[in-house]
Amino acid sequence: DAKTTQPNSMESNEEEPVHLPCNHSTISGTDYIHWYRQLPSQGPEYVIHGLTSNVNNRMASLAIAEDRKSSTLILHRATLRDAAVYYCILINAGGTSYGKLTFGQGTILTVHP
Amino acid sequence: DADVTQTPRNRITKTGKRIMLECSQTKGHDRMYWYRQDPGLGLRLIYYSFDVKDINKGEISDGYSVSRQAQAKFSLSLESAIPNQTALYFCATSDLPGEETQYFGPGTRLLVL
Repeated sequence: DAKTTQPNSMESNEEEPVHLPCNHSTISGTDYIHWYRQLPSQGPEYVIHGLTSNVNNRMASLAIAEDRKSSTLILHRATLRDAAVYYCILINAGGTSYGKLTFGQGTILTVHP
Repeated sequence: DADVTQTPRNRITKTGKRIMLECSQTKGHDRMYWYRQDPGLGLRLIYYSFDVKDINKGEISDGYSVSRQAQAKFSLSLESAIPNQTALYFCATSDLPGEETQYFGPGTRLLVL
């Protein structure tokens, strides 16, 4: 299965944009790029996902490199409630990981007031 | 009301005891999952079920069993609990294959003495 690499931690100030990177150099053509986050004492929460094109939703934006070997989750204006662990996950629609999320250690995002 | 519920939310048990964790969902999804999370680590998949008649082992199924009583219910059992099964357990559901947005329950915190 393709793996992802994320920084262990990042910090941001409130109201500033945050760019969370993820490297996935062994991504296959049918791997979807998913982002989840886990707030303290809660279950993981879906944030956004994409395949090739950049994606926007009410929570965040996902920028996918043209070669798809990396992606960036963008929080446009960080709030204190965005402090969480962010996981970048690849899911292959038809491969052995079909239907299964493999969580790495993620990026711990700290947001300062 | 929450879409994915787990009971109990907290449980303390002794080594050798049998314990069942229950998960219910109102999202009408066919796919359900059980994960465990240990301090400082990401989530690891224990078992997953793509429909009532389809149950599969995840990466750490030893010492666990599951039952899919209905589309909405997926139970995880520890036949003879041991201390290294102390962890936070999450249930999740998903619908669309491939794109795999998963919805997580609030978690069950289990302590095995």
